[in-house]
Amino acid sequence: GDSVTQMEGPVTLSEEAFLTINCTYTATGYPSLFWYVQYPGEGLQLLLKATKADDKGSNKGFEATYRKETTSFHLEKGSVQVSDSAVYFCALSGNTGFQKLVFGTGTRLLVSP
Amino acid sequence: NAGVTQTPKFRILKIGQSMTLQCAQDMNHNYMYWYRQDPGMGLKLIYYSVGAGITDKGEVPNGYNVSRSTTEDFPLRLELAAPSQTSVYFCASSSSPLSRSSSYEQYFGPGTRLTVT
Repeated sequence: GDSVTQMEGPVTLSEEAFLTINCTYTATGYPSLFWYVQYPGEGLQLLLKATKADDKGSNKGFEATYRKETTSFHLEKGSVQVSDSAVYFCALSGNTGFQKLVFGTGTRLLVSP
Repeated sequence: NAGVTQTPKFRILKIGQSMTLQCAQDMNHNYMYWYRQDPGMGLKLIYYSVGAGITDKGEVPNGYNVSRSTTEDFPLRLELAAPSQTSVYFCASSSSPLSRSSSYEQYFGPGTRLTVT
């Protein structure tokens, strides 16, 4: 079945450092790919998405490019802030006609001043 | 516009007790979902609904029941609570896809933290 693998955390960075969180997937066909963010004590929020190969999703300085050849959707940000501290989930939605989301296990990001 | 709301925020149950987790959305979304989030395990789909009166099982439905009598509400019922059901439960909703290749954002509630002892 479909699955998502993302790097284990926590990822600990200083403010203004460069961020990469790796995400790879296994799926049949052409899934849509997502990054969700969960701030402490809150539910998940969509951060960005890409629906076809070579699409780049971007939001709030975060970017991720849908790479079908490497089945990857790595999350990047050029300069992180303390307020970016959260748990980040990579997810995919298959092409079954139903919007079932398959999530990775989440990566906790801790940014220190 | 409150989005997706869930009650209660926290609950402690004894083994064998029952309870209903409430979920409501005010975005007129047809699709609604229940997930559980276990530490280090990501989110697993429990049940989902594609419209009022229509529900179906997700990956981990055992021990749970749902109903969808209105578009707005999608309660999750635990009949005989077990320690394995200790988790954080999230409700989500989304609009309907226009085609099989469409993907739409799911909007999540703040979650219910349930402990069964």
